[in-house]
Amino acid sequence: NAGVTQTPKFQVLKTGQSMTLQCAQDMNHEYMSWYRQDPGMGLRLIHYSVGAGITDQGEVPNGYNVSRSTTEDFPLRLLSAAPSQTSVYFCASSYRGSYTGELFFGEGSRLTVL
Amino acid sequence: SQQGEEDPQALSIQEGENATMNCSYKTSINNLQWYRQNSGRGLVHLILIRSNEREKHSGRLRVTLDTSKKSSSLLITASRAADTASYFCAKPQGGSEKLVFGKGTKLTVNP
Repeated sequence: NAGVTQTPKFQVLKTGQSMTLQCAQDMNHEYMSWYRQDPGMGLRLIHYSVGAGITDQGEVPNGYNVSRSTTEDFPLRLLSAAPSQTSVYFCASSYRGSYTGELFFGEGSRLTVL
Repeated sequence: SQQGEEDPQALSIQEGENATMNCSYKTSINNLQWYRQNSGRGLVHLILIRSNEREKHSGRLRVTLDTSKKSSSLLITASRAADTASYFCAKPQGGSEKLVFGKGTKLTVNP
């Protein structure tokens, strides 16, 4: 039972480069989201999706793009990386209407932008 | 902006002692959740408490919610070294499914 899988686990980019962080879940969850975690800042929501074809912005969406073509996948694209995007990125999913309201998290993708 | 803050920011205790972490929030909520994060790992859901509940237990965890004070607390009893982690509270934003996390309490349990 894989749960939420994020790739890559580590990545180093140069300023201006683009890349995609992959997120896949095998629990048939409708809701998926991306957070970034910075020291002293806790987790901040970047983008989220309540189902295939539906995405919306979170608290810190600038510089990031998402799409949701399937229930399973929710990739996060950095269009032109900046040092301020150095962070740990977490993908999380949940079953809509769950009694426990539980978010399932991936293990994180650690991104450094030089 | 983040809705809630945990305090203390850091807590260091001895094995066997109890650990209490608090979470405050600003606007009305219909539920509040607590998560744990071990160093270098993703977050793991611990417990959810609804606005009509005052207390909830799960093993050595006890969560309370005081809606009049807009605060919640997480108590870990008889702590173990394996409880060393960061603990976060999270609240739905504006009645939506979006969860807003606090900055967390870093708990260290010394053997």
